[in-house]
Amino acid sequence: QSVLTQPPSASGTPGQTVTISCSGSFSNIGSHSVYWYQQLPGTAPKLLIYRSDQRSSGVPDRFSASKSGDSASLAISGLRSEDEAHFFCAVLDDTLRGLVFGGGTQLTVL
Amino acid sequence: QLHLEESGPGLVKPSETLSLTCSVSGGSLNRDSYFWAWIRQPPGKGLEWIGSTFYSGTTHYNPSLQSRVTISVDTTKNQFSLILTSVTASDTAFYYCAKHQGSSWSEPWFDTWGQGTLVTVAS
Repeated sequence: QSVLTQPPSASGTPGQTVTISCSGSFSNIGSHSVYWYQQLPGTAPKLLIYRSDQRSSGVPDRFSASKSGDSASLAISGLRSEDEAHFFCAVLDDTLRGLVFGGGTQLTVL
Repeated sequence: QLHLEESGPGLVKPSETLSLTCSVSGGSLNRDSYFWAWIRQPPGKGLEWIGSTFYSGTTHYNPSLQSRVTISVDTTKNQFSLILTSVTASDTAFYYCAKHQGSSWSEPWFDTWGQGTLVTVAS
């Protein structure tokens, strides 16, 4: 059970906007930058977002992220079939004294 | 272009020691000032940070695994390694090596990953 809570699943139709949440606490999201990863089936995770709202090199501007208080969110606009993947948030946790990942959200494009 | 590749046994018996190596090409462990990490993922489940190391030997471990984990660096071979002792079935996972972007271990900013290797703990 992760200290970062993500919905296990999310879905949308092509062209829609989907938002994935990552809920934490003051000891993690409330105090540190959040990172987001996309994991396509059978592959290693890929960095999407760093320092809470910065897109990694090559990531389309359809992907955006924000942080407010103890929560963060990843938004995907203009949803495409190739966006179907698992998405994970990650952050430093002061209480656990280490890096933690959210449980992950499986995005399905209907 | 930086490339990471994990290697090691795919099957380990319960109570024995898991040992993996990450070979780095297209970059230098002791010239580039980055931390290097091990991360694992049980099949169908989420990611877990195991620990991170610097070429100098400085390491930081996940407190939940610290008593069983050692991460070391061999700069002559441009490799870093993971040792996990007293394994059980719950250690069955895909094990990834990854590079931190920057010289801080405390940001989960992993910009390069290996393809991962599945290690199964079973008798």
